[in-house]
Amino acid sequence: DTGVSQDPRHKITKRGQNVTFRCDPISEHNRLYWYRQTLGQGPEFLTYFQNEAQLEKSRLLSDRFSAERPKGSFSTLEIQRTEQGDSAMYLCASSLAGGGQGSYEQYFGPGTRLTVT
Amino acid sequence: AQTVTQSQPEMSVQEAETVTLSCTYDTSESNYYLFWYKQPPSRQMILVIRQEAYKQQNATENRFSVNFQKAAKSFSLKISDSQLGDTAMYFCAFMKHVGTAGYALNFGKGTSLLVTP
Repeated sequence: DTGVSQDPRHKITKRGQNVTFRCDPISEHNRLYWYRQTLGQGPEFLTYFQNEAQLEKSRLLSDRFSAERPKGSFSTLEIQRTEQGDSAMYLCASSLAGGGQGSYEQYFGPGTRLTVT
Repeated sequence: AQTVTQSQPEMSVQEAETVTLSCTYDTSESNYYLFWYKQPPSRQMILVIRQEAYKQQNATENRFSVNFQKAAKSFSLKISDSQLGDTAMYFCAFMKHVGTAGYALNFGKGTSLLVTP
């Protein structure tokens, strides 16, 4: 079990460019979550997947954001036409659905820090 | 709306002493989960402790324990025998329903804990 991994760890981009982040969850976890954390704040929920299905999106996820989990394994989060307000840490987490006491525990990756200049 | 409030932005404790971090939350649900997460300066979020609302017994994990007061909607974290490695941002989180069958974490703004020698 290697934990949740995210790539890249840091991304600097110019306003207006598109960026894509990747998350690899813990291998047996079927739920995957994306959160955004700005400086001095707790993480805020963006969206989540159960297997390959995207089941919920926060109103924070504008139409410039899109997330996929094509085969129910890794996930990508794309931001189109980035804005300075998109600068944040993007966190991925995974959990195991299906009952049991551990199914509500989310395990987080190290995050991708995005800086839009 | 479900909110999580951490009223102590910063706290400091000496090594080997005990410190308590406070958290209150607001929900109309009767069954839910509460968590404390730790985010050290390296930024990876780590689960510290979990409490199921239907359990009256307070959760404990080694030096970490909670004081869960359901009627008061209070969920404080006690760290005993503080160690330098406990220095981190601590987030209280409430597990909320999203969509038809999903869960996401609703975080407070965090408490920055500094453990001093």
